[in-house]
Parts: sequence; C-alpha cells; structure tokens
Amino acid sequence: SQQGEEDPQALSIQEGENATMNCSYKTSINNLQWYRQNSGRGLVHLILIRSNEREKHSGRLRVTLDTSKKSSSLLITASRAADTASYFCATDARGFQKLVFGTGTRLLVSP
Amino acid sequence: ETGVTQTPRHLVMGMTNKKSLKCEQHLGHNAMYWYKQSAKKPLELMFVYSLEERVENNSVPSRFSPECPNSSHLFLHLHTLQPEDSALYLCASSQDLITDTQYFGPGTRLTVL
Repeated sequence: SQQGEEDPQALSIQEGENATMNCSYKTSINNLQWYRQNSGRGLVHLILIRSNEREKHSGRLRVTLDTSKKSSSLLITASRAADTASYFCATDARGFQKLVFGTGTRLLVSP
Repeated sequence: ETGVTQTPRHLVMGMTNKKSLKCEQHLGHNAMYWYKQSAKKPLELMFVYSLEERVENNSVPSRFSPECPNSSHLFLHLHTLQPEDSALYLCASSQDLITDTQYFGPGTRLTVL
C-alpha cells in the first residue's frame, strides 16, 4: 500500500495567498522529505525533516511533522506564480529501505 | 540544474525498437536510481544501484535492462516495449543509499507507439 499520500490532490490560489499541503503516511519513518516538480521535469528537493523534529523552515517554506498522527504539512507563504508545480512528500519508512513518494498535490498560483 | 543530466529528453519508439536512456551525475554520488512516472500514479522506483552494484529491482519486466558501468553513469536499455510503458523516466542520485536526499534529472519523456 502507498506510504505517502498528499492532500489535496489539487489546489488553486491567488498570488500572495498561503498554500498548505498535507501528507499522511502509514508506518514509522526516519525522515520525511518534500519535493517539487515543474510540469514534465525532474523533482527538486525542497526540505527534509527528521522524525525527532517537529517544524522546519526554509525561506517561504514551513514544514511540520506530527509522528503521532503520521502526518506532515508543507506551507508556502506569500505564494508566487512561479510556485505553480506539483509537490510530493517522500518517506523512508523504516524497513522499506527506499524512498516512497505520494501522488502529489498540484498547486496552481494565479497572478 | 541539479547536476544530473538525462538524454534524450524525448523519445518515440515502436514496439520492436531497441533504444537506451542515459543518465549522468556530476555530484560524486554513490547511489543512482531509475524511476517511472505515469500520469496519476505515484512515482515508481524501478532500479537502485549503489557503488555500481544493483541493489534493488522492483519486479520490473525484463524488457527494461539497467546498466551501471561506473558510479557516474546509468543506462536503461529498452527493447520490445509496450504502449503502457509510455511515461516519464527519471534518473536520480544520492550521496548514499536509500534515504538520503535524491537529486533528479529532467527526465526522458518516452512514447511507445
């Protein structure tokens, strides 16, 4: 079964608004990563949060991790049209020995 | 640029053709990966190489044949593919195996007629 699952599947907002994406997973993890993918391109690593961390910031990105709920959220503040992309979470589930990606959230930021 | 390049960027092939996808990483990483990305499906891990040894083969059909001649290069040889193999094929590398941050190439968009 799928390890990471993003919610919502698609999100449409205006420039300047905040965008929040959620990721749920099923088994214990060592860390969780968020990646971004522009249409038809490769994935770009955004941020990694370890299982003993609760929150992490990088520029306009804020990631939270709640291991008791097996969930993470990615917040993009003051969004820009250039943030339009698909966003994926990836978990390294202990015992799986590989990164497992979710199906992603498609974010559209309109000018 | 992530330091991982893939060629070709686009490929159209017939079911009887033989072609190869190439990936090169300029990051000095030890692990390399092939993924398949189909529409509305999660990224599927196909193969994992660590220090040029294949460490994972995720039940991939034999019409896909990987090759890792050295730690910087990874190939995916294709033969007698099916239309359902049409997808974006992504190569990635990481410093070490498995759970480290992965750096992706731009992908090869493959269409099988």
